[in-house]
Amino acid sequence: GENVEQHPSTLSVQEGDSAVIKCTYSDSASNYFPWYKQELGKGPQLIIDIRSNVGEKKDQRIAVTLNKTAKHFSLHITETQPEDSAVYFCAAYNYGQNFVFGPGTRLSVLP
Amino acid sequence: EAQVTQNPRYLITVTGKKLTVTCSQNMNHEYMSWYRQDPGLGLRQIYYSMNVEVTDKGDVPEGYKVSRKEKRNFPLILESPSPNQTSLYFCASRGNSGNTIYFGEGSWLTVV
Repeated sequence: GENVEQHPSTLSVQEGDSAVIKCTYSDSASNYFPWYKQELGKGPQLIIDIRSNVGEKKDQRIAVTLNKTAKHFSLHITETQPEDSAVYFCAAYNYGQNFVFGPGTRLSVLP
Repeated sequence: EAQVTQNPRYLITVTGKKLTVTCSQNMNHEYMSWYRQDPGLGLRQIYYSMNVEVTDKGDVPEGYKVSRKEKRNFPLILESPSPNQTSLYFCASRGNSGNTIYFGEGSWLTVV
């Protein structure tokens, strides 16, 4: 079955710097890759996603890149702000299967 | 407002005392599921339900039961809780036409 690894497990950056979180997946049939943000005391919420027919997607300060050949995808956050502090989960999905989540990355944006 | 509501949010219970965590969604979603979140392990699926009366095991179903008698509700049942079921639990739903998962706010369960 699918296995998703995520690095780093914790990440601290200075406010205004960029943050990058990387995930690798094992099943080449996976074709949808979302990123979820979990704020303290809340459930995860979708912030951006990418499908396998696209190499990059951007939404304001966040972007996701996908390398199908290497089976990895990354979340990029630019100009980080304190409200970006949260736990981020990546996931991989193939139609008809279930979502498989990475173990999560705790991002701290230091003022 | 579209939401997934789960209760209770916080619970401390004793080993062996049956408990139920309720989950309800107002988005008319067919698909619902339960996850547990543990440090370093991320979100692991316990059970899922493709539609009413159809449920199936996820990755970590041992010690849990579910039922799906109505589309909007998907309760999680711990018949005889044990300390290794101490965790943060999330109910989630997903529409048929999209891939977005909507999570509840979580239920902190401690079994002593």
